[in-house]
Amino acid sequence: DAKTTQPNSMESNEEEPVHLPCNHSTISGTDYIHWYRQLPSQGPEYVIHGLTSNVNNRMASLAIAEDRKSSTLILHRATLRDAAVYYCILRDGLGSQGNLIFGKGTKLSVKP
Amino acid sequence: DAGVIQSPRHEVTEMGQEVTLRCKPISGHDYLFWYRQTMMRGLELLIYFNNNVPIDDSGMPEDRFSAKMPNASFSTLKIQPSEPRDSAVYFCASSDRGLQYFGPGTRLTVL
Repeated sequence: DAKTTQPNSMESNEEEPVHLPCNHSTISGTDYIHWYRQLPSQGPEYVIHGLTSNVNNRMASLAIAEDRKSSTLILHRATLRDAAVYYCILRDGLGSQGNLIFGKGTKLSVKP
Repeated sequence: DAGVIQSPRHEVTEMGQEVTLRCKPISGHDYLFWYRQTMMRGLELLIYFNNNVPIDDSGMPEDRFSAKMPNASFSTLKIQPSEPRDSAVYFCASSDRGLQYFGPGTRLTVL
């Protein structure tokens, strides 16, 4: 799996949008971009994934650059519950069932 | 569905003792993963199964670690004998169509 680069930490204010960046300059044409997050004292949970087009779900939006070398996870209105470590992971093909390779992720702090 | 279930949630044991961690995956998922998380090494894969068969155990630290999946609804991770450096949070995850669902983890402390 190709490597991703994320900032170590970010801060946000409650009820404001948050943009979490991820660089993946060596992404291949069949790599999907997955985001997981890990809330304190919990296991990681799936957030969103995409290939080329921007994606939206109830949790977040994923904006993918046209050249696919970077992407941004968007939380439209951060809440205190969104404080977590966010991991950007590349997976080869939607059906790839191998393990997830977790980096250090971005620790998001949300201030009231 | 109740999600991935792990037991126990916390385990404190003494060095040299045998430790068994248990996992019940989400019904219908045919992949099961064991991960370990420490501050130093982050989240790392230990082993994963497909249809109850071990596929990749290259992450198992040494022979003291063993994992089994006797049926589609149960898996164990055993450490014998345990050592203080095994202290970590151990996560089980099951997979459906490439998306992994993690359990709450077992926090293991080896004294």
